[in-house]
Amino acid sequence: GENVEQHPSTLSVQEGDSAVIKCTYSDSASNYFPWYKQELGKGPQLIIDIRSNVGEKKDQRIAVTLNKTAKHFSLHITETQPEDSAVYFCAASTNAGKSTFGDGTTLTVKP
Amino acid sequence: DGGITQSPKYLFRKEGQNVTLSCEQNLNHDAMYWYRQDPGQGLRLIYYSQIVNDFQKGDIAEGYSVSREKKESFPLTVTSAQKNPTAFYLCASSIWGLNYGYTFGSGTRLTVV
Repeated sequence: GENVEQHPSTLSVQEGDSAVIKCTYSDSASNYFPWYKQELGKGPQLIIDIRSNVGEKKDQRIAVTLNKTAKHFSLHITETQPEDSAVYFCAASTNAGKSTFGDGTTLTVKP
Repeated sequence: DGGITQSPKYLFRKEGQNVTLSCEQNLNHDAMYWYRQDPGQGLRLIYYSQIVNDFQKGDIAEGYSVSREKKESFPLTVTSAQKNPTAFYLCASSIWGLNYGYTFGSGTRLTVV
């Protein structure tokens, strides 16, 4: 089955700096890669996703890149703000099945 | 507004008791999922269901049971066979076969007292 590895497990940045979280996947059939943000005591929320026919996608301060050859994808957050502090999960899935999640990255943005 | 509702938000269980966590969605999603999250940990899949009256075990199904009698509802029962049930439980739903991501509920925190 699919295996998704996520790094780093914790990340601390200064407000205004950029943050990068990386994930690798094992199943070459995976074609959909969502990212979720989980605030304390809440359920994860989908913040951005990318499909295998696209190399990069941006939405304001967040962007995701995908390298299908290397089987890795990354989340980039620019101009970080304290409200970006949360746990971020990557995931990978195919058309036929459920998503496989990474173990999460706890991002702390220091004011 | 469409969404997915979990209840209760907090639940306390005595050892040896079964408890049922509720999950309801009005998004017309085919698939529903239950995840367990321990402090500082990732999401571990307990059960999932693609259609009504059908469900499959996930990675940690032992000590749990589910039913899917209606498209909108996917309750999870934590049985007395689950030796370490204290955790945060998350329900999610999605369109099966099309990749549009999951919609998660707000979770139920279960504590054994």
